[in-house]
Amino acid sequence: NAGVTQTPKFQVLKTGQSMTLQCAQDMNHNSMYWYRQDPGMGLRLIYYSASEGTTDKGEVPNGYNVSRLNKREFSLRLESAAPSQTSVYFCASRLTKVKGTDTQYFGPGTRLTVL
Amino acid sequence: EDQVTQSPEALRLQEGESSSLNCSYTVSGLRGLFWYRQDPGKGPEFLFTLYSAGEEKEKERLKATLTKKESFLHITAPKPEDSATYLCAVQFLRTGGGNKLTFGTGTQLKVEL
Repeated sequence: NAGVTQTPKFQVLKTGQSMTLQCAQDMNHNSMYWYRQDPGMGLRLIYYSASEGTTDKGEVPNGYNVSRLNKREFSLRLESAAPSQTSVYFCASRLTKVKGTDTQYFGPGTRLTVL
Repeated sequence: EDQVTQSPEALRLQEGESSSLNCSYTVSGLRGLFWYRQDPGKGPEFLFTLYSAGEEKEKERLKATLTKKESFLHITAPKPEDSATYLCAVQFLRTGGGNKLTFGTGTQLKVEL
């Protein structure tokens, strides 16, 4: 089991360029999440997908789009990158159970710099 | 607005010197509280989930406890390999669907020989 994998690990973009961050999980989890982590801000939710075929906005969705390609894969797209999107991006996944809450498991992150 | 606050921001300990990290949250109803460890350049690694006041979980030198308004992560006789940033996250009752988590900004722990 690789768990949650993310590509690329590092990326440098110029302002206005576009790119897609890829995430895949092999744990048969239903829910997937995209976060960004900035110094002093904590992890903030960008978008999430509670199940295959659904996506919803999180706390900071502006400037991003997502696609839940299938149960395994959840991608994050920056259509026109801005310096404010310089951050570390984490993907996470969670198995939905009938009762209680369940842990989110995180990938290794993508470090994005927008010049 | 639901908030999660962690203290201290940074903590330096000598090897073997026990201490506690704090995570407090606004009392709007908690569904679950999560502790993660994050090493530099890595993603958060799950440690514990706590659901109700009075609950405790242990793993090696770490013990997490929960009250109605805060959680503590106790570190007993820490070793240098315990050095990391410890993150606390809360799922509040009124976050609706999707199991959304609110994260604190973390406590950066350094354990020295």
